Amino acid sequence: LAKTTQPISMDSYEGQEVNITCSHNNIATNDYITWYQQFPSQGPRFIIQGYKTKVTNEVASLFIPADRKSSTLSLPRVSLSDTAVYYCLVGDGNYGGSQGNLIFGKGTKLSVKP
Amino acid sequence: GAVVSQHPSRVICKSGTSVKIECRSLDFQATTMFWYRQFPKQSLMLMATSNEGSKATYEQGVEKDKFLINHASLTLSTLTVTSAHPEDSSFYICSAGRPDRDNEQYFGPGTRLTVT
Repeated sequence: LAKTTQPISMDSYEGQEVNITCSHNNIATNDYITWYQQFPSQGPRFIIQGYKTKVTNEVASLFIPADRKSSTLSLPRVSLSDTAVYYCLVGDGNYGGSQGNLIFGKGTKLSVKP
Repeated sequence: GAVVSQHPSRVICKSGTSVKIECRSLDFQATTMFWYRQFPKQSLMLMATSNEGSKATYEQGVEKDKFLINHASLTLSTLTVTSAHPEDSSFYICSAGRPDRDNEQYFGPGTRLTVT
């Protein structure tokens, strides 16, 4: 899996748009970019996945430049309930044991304030 | 959407006893499930990959004889923590890969294990 780098923390206010950028300089041709959200004491929850350009779903948007060496998760109009840790993962989806470890980094702790 | 469940959600056991945690994919078949462990204020760490019908693959540093994994069906994987000790107290989370969606990982709600 490609190594990823994210900011450790971010602060925002309710109603603002939040953009979290992840760097993955060593992304491979077959790798997808996936973002997860985790609340305290809960399992990480899938948010969005993309390969290139832009992907949008009911929760977020994912922007991926042409070189795919970074990606930006965009959360529109955040609320207090969006306070969580956000993880960026890059891999081919075959997270099989030592051949392709699904390893979470520290993620980005987003704090949304009223 | 896809749902992955875990049971129990919380368990307290005495040191030296064994605890079994179940992970189920409720509306899809998962040939592969993953088990993670998360210590307080740390990231999830992959412990092992559970493959239906075959032996689990363990990550380096994870004792296979201590953390027994069984994936007997396409919808159920179990993790048994044998001879638990207080240092095994942690948050255990499983995930299931959905084959028809590029193995997109659906995570369970987690199990909080406390060993006294």
